[in-house]
Amino acid sequence: QLVLTQSPSASASLGASVKLTCTLSSGHSRYAIAWHQQQPEKGPRYLMKLNSDGSHSKGDGIPDRFSGSSSGAERYLTISSLQSEDEADYYCQTWDTGIRVFGGGTKLTVL
Amino acid sequence: EVQLVESGGGLIQPGGSLRLSCVVSEFTVSDNYVSWVRQAPGKGLDWVSIIYSGGDTYYADSVKGRFTISRDNSRNTLFLQMNSLRAEDTAVYYCAVGKGYETFDYWGQGTLVTVSS
Repeated sequence: QLVLTQSPSASASLGASVKLTCTLSSGHSRYAIAWHQQQPEKGPRYLMKLNSDGSHSKGDGIPDRFSGSSSGAERYLTISSLQSEDEADYYCQTWDTGIRVFGGGTKLTVL
Repeated sequence: EVQLVESGGGLIQPGGSLRLSCVVSEFTVSDNYVSWVRQAPGKGLDWVSIIYSGGDTYYADSVKGRFTISRDNSRNTLFLQMNSLRAEDTAVYYCAVGKGYETFDYWGQGTLVTVSS
């Protein structure tokens, strides 16, 4: 079964960097994923598509501070130079024929 | 600028029906992949349904047989017909569109559906 696992919460200081993790289920380590951001009381926003080799393509207007990387079954979202508006929920998402799957989300707190 | 505007949400009794709409601007629904995604209060994102550019439709197991996704190409609008609604269908429903098969490149702001007696 295709499942994405995320830590429920993360925190980092203003101006620092943070790396969020999304883990693909066994047998699905070569799958690409997407990252989405949801700020409080807003609809989600597409950040990027991230491939198993670490290459990624970002959505419209996404700053260079957001980047992605991969290692095995793990997919990462790194946010550098953290700003207050980066405090949000971050969801990873993947796909297969006829289905789309979301991770449980990581709530990022900017201290 | 791509815009998605959902409507049709509201308070409905268990067992009732509701039809959601999503008007899309600057993005051709019929040429791409369009989905509904929901979010229960205080919970994460939950994929509901997708319609492919070729017209194939797919559903999450939780809504299969109760919900129907469709589109009106002339109005560039996506629909979700929801029947036999249950309390657990209570959520904000978002429409989302993808330039390709995989991702949701643009999202709407959502419409709230509350199923309660």
